[in-house]
Amino acid sequence: AQSVTQLGSHVSVSEGALVLLRCNYSSSVPPYLFWYVQYPNQGLQLLLKYTSAATLVKGINGFEAEFKKSETSFHLTKPSAHMSDAAEYFCAVRGGNKLVFGAGTILRVKS
Amino acid sequence: DAGITQSPRYKITETGRQVTLMCHQTWSHSYMFWYRQDLGHGLRLIYYSAAADITDKGEVPDGYVVSRSKTENFPLTLESATRSQTSVYFCASSESGGRNTGELFFGEGSRLTVL
Repeated sequence: AQSVTQLGSHVSVSEGALVLLRCNYSSSVPPYLFWYVQYPNQGLQLLLKYTSAATLVKGINGFEAEFKKSETSFHLTKPSAHMSDAAEYFCAVRGGNKLVFGAGTILRVKS
Repeated sequence: DAGITQSPRYKITETGRQVTLMCHQTWSHSYMFWYRQDLGHGLRLIYYSAAADITDKGEVPDGYVVSRSKTENFPLTLESATRSQTSVYFCASSESGGRNTGELFFGEGSRLTVL
């Protein structure tokens, strides 16, 4: 069965600093992987997705993620954090026709 | 506007009462899903549907009932609400077929409190 593990339920960075949110996956087949973002009192919206094409995936709002098969990882990064990036981020893996989500990482951005 | 809408957005009910959360999508997506979001657990799948009249259990289906008589609607019913069902519920949909990467499109959520 497919699963993802997000390392760190809370991450705090200063404005302008690198953002790194970690996700490791487990999948018996080549995975489709996703990062979603959730702002307060809103639904989830797609940041980016990996579908077995390029291993470095660029998403919205300056985020990108790199698929590393050898490490079974799909970490999310952004070179310079902005206050508006404060939100909860979810990594997910496709399992059949469903998505299996991680527990989420809350990103706090300090001024 | 096109999209996926949930109602009600907020609901307070009492233990033992029946509650129905509605979900409507205008994209004609084949697949629809109900997730619940709880602190520390992320999103957990309750039920999903591949098409009208086809539904299947997810990870946490106990205490919930779904139906899908029309492609665009996917209501979720709590037949006898319990405090453990206090949560935020998200409906989502996705396309099917060869272009399907599994990407989900989410509603804004329904926050349910069971007293």
